[in-house]
Amino acid sequence: DAKTTQPTSMDCAEGRAANLPCNHSTISGNEYVYWYRQIHSQGPQYIIHGLKNNETNEMASLIITEDRKSSTLILPHATLRDTAVYYCIVRTPNSGYSTLTFGKGTMLLVSP
Amino acid sequence: NAGVMQNPRHLVRRRGQEARLRCSPMKGHSHVYWYRQLPEEGLKFMVYLQKENIIDESGMPKERFSAEFPKEGPSILRIQQVVRGDSAAYFCASSSSAASDVLTFGAGSRLTVL
Repeated sequence: DAKTTQPTSMDCAEGRAANLPCNHSTISGNEYVYWYRQIHSQGPQYIIHGLKNNETNEMASLIITEDRKSSTLILPHATLRDTAVYYCIVRTPNSGYSTLTFGKGTMLLVSP
Repeated sequence: NAGVMQNPRHLVRRRGQEARLRCSPMKGHSHVYWYRQLPEEGLKFMVYLQKENIIDESGMPKERFSAEFPKEGPSILRIQQVVRGDSAAYFCASSSSAASDVLTFGAGSRLTVL
């Protein structure tokens, strides 16, 4: 699985969009980008994933650059409850089974 | 539709005792994963199980740790003769298929070894 690089921490004002970047310059053609988050003292929560097209669901949007070397997770209207560590993971699907590798992630702090 | 259920949520053991952590996957999920999160560290994969089978235990310490997922009942992570270094949060996750990377995690079991 390709390595990812994320900023250690980010701040966002409540109600504004939170844009969390992730670099994955060594991503290969069949690898997907997954995002999970972990709110303090809770288990990780799946957010979204994508291959090359932008994706949107009820939680967030995922924007993947055309060369696929980086992506951005967008929380359109951040709330205090979105304060969490956000993990970007690159993974080849159907590679047998899932053993996700969680890096250090980005600590997003949403402030009033 | 209950999610992944883990119990106990908090467990305190003295050095040398045994710890048993239980995980009931989501309904319809037959693939279970255990992860460990040491204080101030990231999550590390421990073991992947399907019903009655251990598929990958490459992340589990060779001694004192074992896992099972019987035909009936929850998956169990067992730690024998606990040491202080075993103090951590242990998370269980489940998925509907082996190839899915969309895992549903439980709230975790926090083990404290005195």
